[in-house]
Amino acid sequence: QSALTQPASVSGSPGQSITISCTGTSTDIVGYNYVSWYQQHPGKAPKLMIYDVSKRPSGLSNRFSGSKSGNTASLTISGLQAEDEADYYCTSYSHSAHVVFGGGTKLTVL
Amino acid sequence: EVQLVESGGGLVQPGRSLRLSCTASGFTFGDYAMSWIRQAPGKGLEWVAFIRNKAYSGTTEYAASLRGRFTISRDDSKTIAYLQMNSLNTEDTAVYYCARGGGSARYYFDYWGQGTLVTVSS
Repeated sequence: QSALTQPASVSGSPGQSITISCTGTSTDIVGYNYVSWYQQHPGKAPKLMIYDVSKRPSGLSNRFSGSKSGNTASLTISGLQAEDEADYYCTSYSHSAHVVFGGGTKLTVL
Repeated sequence: EVQLVESGGGLVQPGRSLRLSCTASGFTFGDYAMSWIRQAPGKGLEWVAFIRNKAYSGTTEYAASLRGRFTISRDDSKTIAYLQMNSLNTEDTAVYYCARGGGSARYYFDYWGQGTLVTVSS
């Protein structure tokens, strides 16, 4: 069982927007602005998409955005494209466990 | 260009040890914390350990579930991070990724290696 809770799957049609949630506790998401998100295509290494809750790495599409409210962080992908189909993982600094990951969310582009 | 290349994976019997290496290039290795993250077949990502940079005394942190079996270290002169894994069991079977970051107030992983597969089986 992962420390952070993500939905197992989400789906959307091309052009639509989707949001993936990541729920934590007072010892991780609530207490720190160190949430990051990773995209992983099958057989590939993960790729950083969002860090420090809402910052995008240089060169990354602005279709990807991050936010946090209370114990839940969110990744929003707008203008969904076929190549966005992948697994997405959230992670956070944790006072008790140092680094915790979510269980991952499989995004299907219909 | 930042590159991280893992090596040292393979098939190992339960109870034995293995050392993984992560050779870095394209950035000032000594300025960054380094991490190991693993992924069991068909499963999600699991953080294993990180080692801070020299500015933070190179201190280390581990996932509690490892119970002292794993040791992370670094050689800044060779730009290599290591993961020594002892008393391996079948649950340690996974792809092991090296990643830049994870400590020193930089709790994200901005570059990843391609991973090295460790299979623990008799």
